[in-house]
Amino acid sequence: SQQGEEDPQALSIQEGENATMNCSYKTSINNLQWYRQNSGRGLVHLILIRSNEREKHSGRLRVTLDTSKKSSSLLITASRAADTASYFCATADLGNEKLTFGTGTRLTIIP
Amino acid sequence: GAGVSQSPRYKVTKRGQDVALRCDPISGHVSLYWYRQALGQGPEFLTYFNYEAQQDKSGLPNDRFSAERPEGSISTLTIQRTEQRDSAMYRCASSPGLGEQFFGPGTRLTVL
Repeated sequence: SQQGEEDPQALSIQEGENATMNCSYKTSINNLQWYRQNSGRGLVHLILIRSNEREKHSGRLRVTLDTSKKSSSLLITASRAADTASYFCATADLGNEKLTFGTGTRLTIIP
Repeated sequence: GAGVSQSPRYKVTKRGQDVALRCDPISGHVSLYWYRQALGQGPEFLTYFNYEAQQDKSGLPNDRFSAERPEGSISTLTIQRTEQRDSAMYRCASSPGLGEQFFGPGTRLTVL
């Protein structure tokens, strides 16, 4: 079953703009991860944030985590055409190594 | 290569046949996971191993699905008496431990 829900389901923005995606989940987690999936390709890990962290940066990516609201956001700054992909959040529950994925946000960057 | 590999990449089979999907994890990775992904959805957990021990098989849909990792490296996911509803992308991932999982390219299974 899917744990999380991403919001929005689809997002189209102009190249150079920032893109923000949100993820909500239901259980107590050990960590939350974001993955990218290009059309017809595999899943690529982007960033991991642990339950005791509130914000994390990696290049043009910024992730926040609010465990009280059971939500996370992924911000991609200065978007590029190559950022066009589906983005999934995935949670690892306490005491469990399996990942529970959300439903994904389809991001389209318009050149 | 150094990544996770899966074979075959595509498998077309007739309803009722058995299929075996293979996953070759990154060398030295302790944990190996199987997921299934329907079109337009996120991956759904099937089962995972630490070394050769199957730790959690709660995501396997029914007893037609089984998995093994006998030597703690390569894993095989077997689906017996396939049905059309089994058609999906089957993804394998490996991990050195808690945290990031490295995914393979997947096996696209089509049951006619």
